[in-house]
Formats: sequence, C-alpha cells, structure tokens
Amino acid sequence: NAGVTQTPKFRVLKTGQSMTLLCAQDMNHEYMYWYRQDPGMGLRLIHYSVGEGTTAKGEVPDGYNVSRLKKQNFLLGLESAAPSQTSVYFCASSRVPGQGSEKLFFGSGTQLSVL
Amino acid sequence: GENVEQHPSTLSVQEGDSAVIKCTYSDSASNYFPWYKQELGKRPQLIIDIRSNVGEKKDQRIAVTLNKTAKHFSLHITETQPEDSAVYFCAASQTGGSYIPTFGRGTSLIVHP
Repeated sequence: NAGVTQTPKFRVLKTGQSMTLLCAQDMNHEYMYWYRQDPGMGLRLIHYSVGEGTTAKGEVPDGYNVSRLKKQNFLLGLESAAPSQTSVYFCASSRVPGQGSEKLFFGSGTQLSVL
Repeated sequence: GENVEQHPSTLSVQEGDSAVIKCTYSDSASNYFPWYKQELGKRPQLIIDIRSNVGEKKDQRIAVTLNKTAKHFSLHITETQPEDSAVYFCAASQTGGSYIPTFGRGTSLIVHP
C-alpha cells in the first residue's frame, strides 16, 4: 500500500499562473482533505470531501478549487496563483467517523512557492 | 465552529526531562482529541488519541489527559529523547456528523542532548 500520495513535491509558480495538485489514496477512504501549513499557523483546512462527487469549504478556501471525481483522487486547483499562496500543502484521508478509526493519513506534502 | 488553542508554541527541554503541551477547545460537543507529531520535513503522524469517555491514556512514554469540564487536554512526554524533537499538533473533533478535525497551531519541541 502506498497510502496517500501527493504530486508534485515541489513547484515554483509565477503570480497569475495556474496549477493543480493531485492527491491519491489507495486505502478506500471516504474522507479526503486539503490543508496548508504556514509557520506559526498550524494546519489550516482549505477544502474537504466526505465522498466521491462531494466537496465542501474549509477554513481558508478563497483562491482554491477542488474536485473529487473519483473516490481515490482529490485535486486542488489554483486558478491564479498569488504570493500569499506560498505554503506547504498537505493532503489527508480518513475513514468515515465512527467506523473504528478517525485517524488522518497524510501525504508527504507539496512545497509551493509563488513569485 | 470549533476553536483550538495550543500552548506553548515552542518548548525547549533537556534530554531526560518531561514535556507538557496543553490545548483548550471551545465546542463542548467535541469528543475526540488526537495528537500528531511532525518531524522536520516529514508528514504529520498520529501518535496518540483520547475520547471523551476516558480521562487519561498512556502509551509508553507518552500520555494524554482530558478534562471535559474545563475543556482542555494535554500531552505528556516523560524521559524525553532527542528523537522526540518535532512539532506536535493537537486537534479536536466530533465522531458523529461530518467530523472535520480542527488543529491547534502546533508546538515545536526541542530536546537538547
């Protein structure tokens, strides 16, 4: 099992460019999440999904869009990148709460720099 | 929504000392409290968790305590070792409903040899 895989691991963008971060999980998890991590700010939720075809906004959704067309994949898009979106992005997945484990499994992260 | 406060933001200890990290939460409906450890350059990983029907849980050198009345929970690490150096995140959530964990801002623990 690969667990949760994120691509790419590093990316540099110019202001205004667009890109998509891909998250894939092979654990048949229903829930998937996108977080951003900034120094001193912890893990802030951008968007999440409670199942295939569903998405919902988290704490800091502005400037991002997501899609969950397949259960195993959760895509995070930046339509017009801004320097404020420079961050480390983590994808995570979990089982449905109440099914024995609420543990989040994280990907290895994507370091994104917007110049 | 839920709000989780975590203190201190940085904690420096000597090897062998104990370390305590504290978190408070705002939503009395929260009933699940995990702790994640993130080593430098790595992904966060769950190290221990506690549910609201339990007051304390131990796993070797790590323990977590929960005070539901005061709405705070703490991570205790005894006999610290250099490999305990990492950022620790607490979180709070409800196991019913849509369950989306809210994280604290993290504590950077530094264990000096």
